[in-house]
Amino acid sequence: GEDVEQSLFLSVREGDSSVINCTYTDSSSTYLYWYKQEPGAGLQLLTYIFSNMDMKQDQRLTVLLNKKDKHLSLRIADTQTGDSAIYFCAESRTGNQFYFGTGTSLTVIP
Amino acid sequence: NAGVTQTPKFRVLKTGQSMTLLCAQDMNHEYMYWYRQDPGMGLRLIHYSVGEGTTAKGEVPDGYNVSRLKKQNFLLGLESAAPSQTSVYFCASRSMAVPGDTEAFFGQGTRLTVV
Repeated sequence: GEDVEQSLFLSVREGDSSVINCTYTDSSSTYLYWYKQEPGAGLQLLTYIFSNMDMKQDQRLTVLLNKKDKHLSLRIADTQTGDSAIYFCAESRTGNQFYFGTGTSLTVIP
Repeated sequence: NAGVTQTPKFRVLKTGQSMTLLCAQDMNHEYMYWYRQDPGMGLRLIHYSVGEGTTAKGEVPDGYNVSRLKKQNFLLGLESAAPSQTSVYFCASRSMAVPGDTEAFFGQGTRLTVV
């Protein structure tokens, strides 16, 4: 919502890397998040990055943040079929409101 | 450990009917949120609450009302349902006990169809 943008679909082959991109709007956002939604389920937090960081790595996940361009990306190394899901970026704005992107549906082809 | 529980999980309403969606959390969180999820539009914030007895409007509040009479419960009401309110509704809660932003925990969703 409110101009947190993502591309809607991404397909990758099993074993390749996936890169999911997001542009956000509020330069004062303190934290930026990546959530994963599996079919028929709610959202689960994957990882987050504090706004004074450029990069965060967590096992197969790498988050890159470019504050100047307000661009966030999530890289999944060695993508597996179990990674197929919808991925949402989110920012936490002033007033403690979370705003989510449109979601990127990742399909992993065996 | 239930976390965030939404009831009901599914509902079909006729246009003009009313209903209330219940969100309950057992984590003593201060903040609670209601979102709707529609294809290609992600999650949009309907209303939120920063504490018992307080509510505020989000991006898409029209046609909805909320109440937070108890800290653990956040109710979303539709007074006169419209087909445009057909959606999947998610509740979330978050703690502000620790300084700084923290994770939001989500319920499993309520799939509402208005015919």
